[in-house]
Amino acid sequence: GDSVTQTEGLVTLTEGLPVMLNCTYQTIYSNPFLFWYVQHLNESPRLLLKSFTDNKRTEHQGFHATLHKSSSSFHLQKSSAQLSDSALYYCALSDHHNAGAKLTFGGGTRLTVRP
Amino acid sequence: EAAVTQSPRNKVAVTGGKVTLSCNQTNNHNNMYWYRQDTGHGLRLIHYSYGAGSTEKGDIPDGYKASRPSQENFSLILELATPSQTSVYFCASGDRWGSSAETLYFGSGTRLTVL
Repeated sequence: GDSVTQTEGLVTLTEGLPVMLNCTYQTIYSNPFLFWYVQHLNESPRLLLKSFTDNKRTEHQGFHATLHKSSSSFHLQKSSAQLSDSALYYCALSDHHNAGAKLTFGGGTRLTVRP
Repeated sequence: EAAVTQSPRNKVAVTGGKVTLSCNQTNNHNNMYWYRQDTGHGLRLIHYSYGAGSTEKGDIPDGYKASRPSQENFSLILELATPSQTSVYFCASGDRWGSSAETLYFGSGTRLTVL
């Protein structure tokens, strides 16, 4: 079946430093959708950004990610971390062509940004 | 924005007891999902539904049942609760338009403790 791997369970950064959260996936689908969801403390997960276009950079709210099918990766990046970026981040995968596609989530990466 | 409401917010149950978690969405989305969230495992899909009267098994359906009596309501039922089902449960709704990816809208979660 499908799987999503987020290698870092915990990431701690100092404010102002760049952010990179890793996401790799395995799937039988040739055209997967990849997503990043973010969950702040005591809130529910919400969509941060999504993509299915190979090698195209997708940006939202200062974050960006590029789907690389050659390496099955969809890493999340930001040039300068802010205290408000502290949250739990999930990478997720679904089938582009399945009308009712269900998401497969990674284990999540908890990002803590310190002053 | 999509509105997904879960009840109760917190629940304490005894082993062997029956538990029903409720979810209501007001955005006329066809698809609804139940996930559980556990540290290190991320969000795992229990059951989902493509519309009223339909339910499908997700990745970890054992010990759970689901019911979708209407477009708006989707329940998760634990007939014989066990301590291993202690978790945070999220309901989500979503829909897909054309070739765009489905965005999930999550409820605020139910924290279930089984003693």
